[in-house]
Amino acid sequence: DQQVKQNSPSLSVQEGRISILNCDYTNSMFDYFLWYKKYPAEGPTFLISISSIKDKNEDGRFTVFLNKSAKHLSLHIVPSQPGDSAVYFCAASAGNTPLVFGKGTRLSVIA
Amino acid sequence: SAVISQKPSRDICQRGTSLTIQCQVDSQVTMMFWYRQQPGQSLTLIATANQGSEATYESGFVIDKFPISRPNLTFSTLTVSNMSPEDSSIYLCSVGEGPYEQYFGPGTRLTVT
Repeated sequence: DQQVKQNSPSLSVQEGRISILNCDYTNSMFDYFLWYKKYPAEGPTFLISISSIKDKNEDGRFTVFLNKSAKHLSLHIVPSQPGDSAVYFCAASAGNTPLVFGKGTRLSVIA
Repeated sequence: SAVISQKPSRDICQRGTSLTIQCQVDSQVTMMFWYRQQPGQSLTLIATANQGSEATYESGFVIDKFPISRPNLTFSTLTVSNMSPEDSSIYLCSVGEGPYEQYFGPGTRLTVT
C-alpha cells in the first residue's frame, strides 16, 4: 500500500506559466514533507520542505502548500523555466523514521 | 551540502553473480543510507549503514542479499548478491544527519541479464 502517492506521472507546462505538482498521503503520522528534483543520470536533490505545523513554505520560485485535513500537498513553481524540466519526488517522514517517497512526476517545461 | 560519488555509475551483470557498489562522501557523516529505485517505482530504502556496527535493514531486505559495509565516516559499500533480473534498478546512496533533507549520490544503474 503506497503511503505517498503522486497520481500524475507527467505534466507539461509552457515556459513562464505556473507548474503545480500534487502529492497525497495516507499516513496521518507524517509530520515532515519534502520535495526532491531529479535530472537524468543524477541523484535526487533536495528542493524544499514543510513541517506539519505550517501550511505554506516559500523559497524563491518554489512554494509548497500543505493541507493536513485533505492529506495533500502541492509544489508550485512560478514562473516555470525550461531548466525546471525534471522528475519531482514527494517524500514524507513520521518523527525520525525513514523517508517514504512517491513515484515521481515528470515535469516538462516547454519553451 | 556533501558531495557524494558512486562507483560504478552503471553495470550490466549476469544472473547469479554479485556486484559491489561504492559510495564515497567528501566529508564525515553520521548516517548513510542505501536506496533502490526499480523501473517506474519510487525510491525505497534498503538499509541504514551504521559506522562500526551492522546495518539496519528495512522490511523486505536482508543482509544475505544486500550486505553493507561502513568502515569509516566517509565510505560505504552495498553488495547485490546472487543477482536476478528483478534486481535491475538504480541504487543510490545518500547521507544526512537524520531522515530529513538527505543528499543523494548520482546512482548506479544496474541491469541484470
